[in-house]
This record gives sequence, C-alpha cells and structure tokens, in this order.
Amino acid sequence: EDQVTQSPEALRLQEGESSSLNCSYTVSGLRGLFWYRQDPGKGPEFLFTLYSAGEEKEKERLKATLTKKESFLHITAPKPEDSATYLCAVQAPAGTALIFGKGTTLSVSS
Amino acid sequence: SQTIHQWPATLVQPVGSPLSLECTVEGTSNPNLYWYRQAAGRGLQLLFYSVGIGQISSEVPQNLSASRPQDRQFILSSKKLLLSDSGFYLCAWSQDTNTEAFFGQGTRLTVV
Repeated sequence: EDQVTQSPEALRLQEGESSSLNCSYTVSGLRGLFWYRQDPGKGPEFLFTLYSAGEEKEKERLKATLTKKESFLHITAPKPEDSATYLCAVQAPAGTALIFGKGTTLSVSS
Repeated sequence: SQTIHQWPATLVQPVGSPLSLECTVEGTSNPNLYWYRQAAGRGLQLLFYSVGIGQISSEVPQNLSASRPQDRQFILSSKKLLLSDSGFYLCAWSQDTNTEAFFGQGTRLTVV
C-alpha cells in the first residue's frame, strides 16, 4: 500500500533556528512529490514539485530535496510568518490523485 | 491566471438534511477536479475525482456523491447528512494527473 509519513508531527523553533522536516514514502515508481503549506482554516498552498532523486527546489527560506525514499523540507533562519502546517504528498503510478501525509505543524517564535 | 472558488466557507446542518457544496475553476479548460476531506489530526482523504464532464470516480464508499455537470464545475452532495460527515472539505484542480493540484479555501461543515 502506498504510504506517506511525515515527521515530526510538531516542531517548535526560535526565530533564526534552522531545521528540517521529513517526508518518507513507500511508493513504487514515484511520479512526483509535492510540498504544500497550510494555514489554519485555509486550503493548502502549493510550494514545490520534485520528480526525481537528487532534485532540489528553493523558495525564499525553504528548500526541498528528494531521495529515492524520502524528501526533506529545509527551513533556513525561519521567521514567525513561516508558522504553518507543511504537507507532503506523492503521486503514484496508478495515477489518480495525490496521497497526503498528516503534516508537520511548525511554530516559530520570536 | 487560474482561480478556484469554493463555497460556502462554513456550514452548519442538522443530521438528516441534504448537502450541496459547489466548486468552480476559472482560467483553464478540462481540468482534473478533486474533492478531499480533512479531519482533525488526519491527512487529506480523497473522496472523489473527475477527469471530465460526467466522469466521477469514488475513492471511499460513504454517504456522499459528486457530480460534474460542466467542465469547470464540481459539486459534492448528500441526501441525508450524518454526524460523521462533519469536517473540512476541500476542492482542488490539476491540469494533469502527475502535476501539482491547487486547492480552494475549503468549507467547514458541522453536522449537528
């Protein structure tokens, strides 16, 4: 069964304290891995798509990387406005819709 | 640019009442359309997806149904709501099956 596991479930950081979020997956023949940001009471906002191992994408303080088993979302010098739930999703070869993890809730305090 | 509209934002309905949530997409044609449900502490659960008008696939057997009467319109319905139907419902669209999906702002449904 295709699965996506995100860790940790929750992460508290001080402003400027860099860290990484993990997304591990068990999908045969990954067709794409996606990162989203979700603010409370809102729909997920698309961040990145990664298609192959070794690929990296960056946006402001966020950098996403992909290996054959997992993806990392690195947050460099976070600010309080980076506080949100970060969701990871994969596209399997059966190719219907995305399979989501439960997310990591990030809190950044000043 | 493409936009997705989903309404209403919040809804409180009694048990046994009907439901109709609507989603429309602008600025694209022939999108793939999706309905997800998000429960507290759980991931997004795919309910229905559609690759074209009148084509609906159900991922989870339940008290809900979906329809796509027009290319860019997706409707989630129920004839009789259950307490367990409460949750955060999200509509999304993508251009292809292996590209990113874009979400609406969601509907918070509370069944009382």
